[in-house]
Amino acid sequence: GESVGLHLPTLSVQEGDNSIINCAYSNSASDYFIWYKQESGKGPQFIIDIRSNMDKRQGQRVTVLLNKTVKHLSLQIAATQPGDSAVYFCAEKKITGGGNKLTFGTGTQLKVEL
Amino acid sequence: EPEVTQTPSHQVTQMGQEVILRCVPISNHLYFYWYRQILGQKVEFLVSFYNNEISEKSEIFDDQFSVERPDGSNFTLKIRSTKLEDSAMYFCASRESRDFGSGNTIYFGEGSWLTVV
Repeated sequence: GESVGLHLPTLSVQEGDNSIINCAYSNSASDYFIWYKQESGKGPQFIIDIRSNMDKRQGQRVTVLLNKTVKHLSLQIAATQPGDSAVYFCAEKKITGGGNKLTFGTGTQLKVEL
Repeated sequence: EPEVTQTPSHQVTQMGQEVILRCVPISNHLYFYWYRQILGQKVEFLVSFYNNEISEKSEIFDDQFSVERPDGSNFTLKIRSTKLEDSAMYFCASRESRDFGSGNTIYFGEGSWLTVV
């Protein structure tokens, strides 16, 4: 069956350092891999996605890397700020022409220390 | 920036009661979703809705659940007879119609926290 999971439940980093959040997936048929950020008591906020035919995509202060050989996804946050403290979920999506639902992983808590 | 809005933000209900959670998706979006998140757990898919019908649903979405788009702006989730295990945060989400490209991004609302007692 398909599953998306995270290696570490909590990641603590110093303000200004780079953060790397990892995710393992098992569904090779997924078309997109997505990172969401969830702050306490709020809904998931889209950060960045990557299509399965790519291996790297950059956004503002964030980079997503996809390694299909080992089924691994990572989110790199440059110069981590206190506002980056949140739970980060990876998710995957298969484009079916129908609902194209998201399947979420269990989340990693990122704590930014001052 | 357009956003998905949900009401109520919190609701406490007695077991066996009916609950309706409301959502206003982003105005030009055509696909709508409900997800839920039990406290401390991951976000789980419930149902997707397009062109006034359910396009996909999960095992969680049993006969106690229903969705409706009663007018051109609202999208509702009804739980007919709530159980204790229905206590969770319920998220509405929406996306544009395109399957590839930026239009396939799914945007979430802030959630409705449901507590069944």
